[in-house]
Amino acid sequence: ETGVTQSPTHLIKTRGQQVTLRCSSQSGHNTVSWYQQALGQGPQFIFQYYREEENGRGNFPPRFSGLQFPNYSSELNVNALELDDSALYLCASSLGANTGELFFGEGSRLTVL
Amino acid sequence: QQPVQSPQAVILREGEDAVINCSSSKALYSVHWYRQKHGEAPIFLMILLKGGEQKGHDKISASFNEKKQQSSLYLTASQLSYSGTYFCGTEKKLSGTSYGKLTFGQGTILTVHP
Repeated sequence: ETGVTQSPTHLIKTRGQQVTLRCSSQSGHNTVSWYQQALGQGPQFIFQYYREEENGRGNFPPRFSGLQFPNYSSELNVNALELDDSALYLCASSLGANTGELFFGEGSRLTVL
Repeated sequence: QQPVQSPQAVILREGEDAVINCSSSKALYSVHWYRQKHGEAPIFLMILLKGGEQKGHDKISASFNEKKQQSSLYLTASQLSYSGTYFCGTEKKLSGTSYGKLTFGQGTILTVHP
């Protein structure tokens, strides 16, 4: 039990649609990172938010965007969905600069048809 | 660039030992190790921040050779609960802190049989 919850757990969308995934971090964790995990692969870094500001982005296009809120929740938004966006999306919270340990949620499984 | 893990899969009997390796082509700031069971969240095992550092808890330990940009995870006297996919995650050497921006390897599937 990591104390990080994600919703929804599973969802199906069609190509071109938009999706919003949500994450509730541990209380006090001011940093949240989002990762995309394709089947059989390691998680791939999408972006990180620190105190509600984007603090680094991986190799993902601008149609992947995020928000972090003062209540330790965050969102990942993906526009114009493509078939290759089908994956498990993981959020991970941390205490920021004082520790590198990431607390992952169980993820949201997105299928794009 | 993604770190390379070896082996890709390991099958053990309870009580046997295993080593999982992680190699990077880039200078590293830190190496993290996580275990993920099917359908579950990745769980933090340990982080290694200094070259040569070795850390461990229970019968799982790890080393980090900063010069070779390599880390190894050692599982001794394996238990059924050790089964899962093990990922190393690396952070590049940058000025300042950049915790959480990890580049993960492709994973090593560990199966422990009774």
